Amino acid sequence: DQQVKQNSPSLSVQEGRISILNCDYTNSMFDYFLWYKKYPAEGPTFLISISSIKDKNEDGRFTVFLNKSAKHLSLHIVPSQPGDSAVYFCAAFWGGYNNNDMRFGAGTRLTVKP
Amino acid sequence: DTGVSQNPRHKITKRGQNVTFRCDPISEHNRLYWYRQTLGQGPEFLTYFQNEAQLEKSRLLSDRFSAERPKGSFSTLEIQRTEQGDSAMYLCASSIGGAGNTQYFGPGTRLTVL
Repeated sequence: DQQVKQNSPSLSVQEGRISILNCDYTNSMFDYFLWYKKYPAEGPTFLISISSIKDKNEDGRFTVFLNKSAKHLSLHIVPSQPGDSAVYFCAAFWGGYNNNDMRFGAGTRLTVKP
Repeated sequence: DTGVSQNPRHKITKRGQNVTFRCDPISEHNRLYWYRQTLGQGPEFLTYFQNEAQLEKSRLLSDRFSAERPKGSFSTLEIQRTEQGDSAMYLCASSIGGAGNTQYFGPGTRLTVL
């Protein structure tokens, strides 16, 4: 069962513009959400996270927005740079102490064109 | 380098052979996770350890798979009687215990079963 969905397999944007990556989830128990970036032949690299008590978290050029009622989160990258080209995974889990089954979306490949 | 390390990075084996992978987590992290990732998909949770105790196993972890973390530090994942369907990237991650912990991934071991 796919509890975390990234419906856009790819996204292409021009350097300097905004990149918006979207993610939907179905399990209302999830209360922590993360974005990971993955380059070829490397493991996923943690980018930014948000807990369900917030609706926005910002770190430099990266902002994550959470809409709990819609079970939707998005990652905004402004301004986009060619080095941001990678596969981005959305992940979610329930933060209860003994539950660490993190679920990932299938990923969105972002290409930032110079 | 104090990140998560995995060995080997690549493994090619013939169907029916046994393989073992190793993961060394970030030293102060007491939680360790194994994931599997196939092409076009996000990582899928396999199992996790709190110190040396294996606390959760996914139904994806068939009887041919076994994971250990004997001293609460490094972990091994063994696959017995490999099948072509086992071909995937095997990712290890580690985190500090507690709610809302962020998992940090290693570079992965790519397994190819011929």
